[in-house]
Amino acid sequence: DSGVTQTPKHLITATGQRVTLRCSPRSGDLSVYWYQQSLDQGLQFLIHYYNGEERAKGNILERFSAQQFPDLHSELNLSSLELGDSALYFCASSANRYEQYFGPGTRLTVT
Amino acid sequence: DAKTTQPPSMDCAEGRAANLPCNHSTISGNEYVYWYRQIHSQGPQYIIHGLKNNETNEMASLIITEDRKSSTLILPHATLRDTAVYYCIVHPANTGGFKTIFGAGTRLFVKA
Repeated sequence: DSGVTQTPKHLITATGQRVTLRCSPRSGDLSVYWYQQSLDQGLQFLIHYYNGEERAKGNILERFSAQQFPDLHSELNLSSLELGDSALYFCASSANRYEQYFGPGTRLTVT
Repeated sequence: DAKTTQPPSMDCAEGRAANLPCNHSTISGNEYVYWYRQIHSQGPQYIIHGLKNNETNEMASLIITEDRKSSTLILPHATLRDTAVYYCIVHPANTGGFKTIFGAGTRLFVKA
């Protein structure tokens, strides 16, 4: 158990819909990272927040957005969903400037 | 694009040492080498990291060449539970401004 929690564990929704994925970092961790992992793309970095501020952005689609709240939890919002958005979404947190601890992931299925 | 190159797969006999190589010839002076592994579809698990000195913890050892252009992760006594995809990545140790880029990793099969 990494100490990072993600909800929901599974999510099934239809194309065109909007969903919100939630991540609670380890206690005291200021950094939160989001990743997408699909079968044909591997683990893709989406975005990094540090203490509420966006610090780095990967190839995150404009339909996707994220934020980190004052209590340090983070949410990833995915809108106008397409079949290709079906994937595992992981968040990770980090206390210092070194290793990241990953949550168990949210499996999103778009039908 | 990933800054690291790893063999796509490797086999190891149970109880033997598993040596996983990683090439990072374009590594910058302020970048660390990190190793993670992912078992099936679970969240990746941090293993070890280092800058230029060799490092050891309860899970593994990390050997970094003197020119820092390559490294080797060593699992001293591999078990069946070590079967996983192992990722070698490099990035600076700071609070942001960089992208954490994972490549395809090495799929390690530990066989009885």
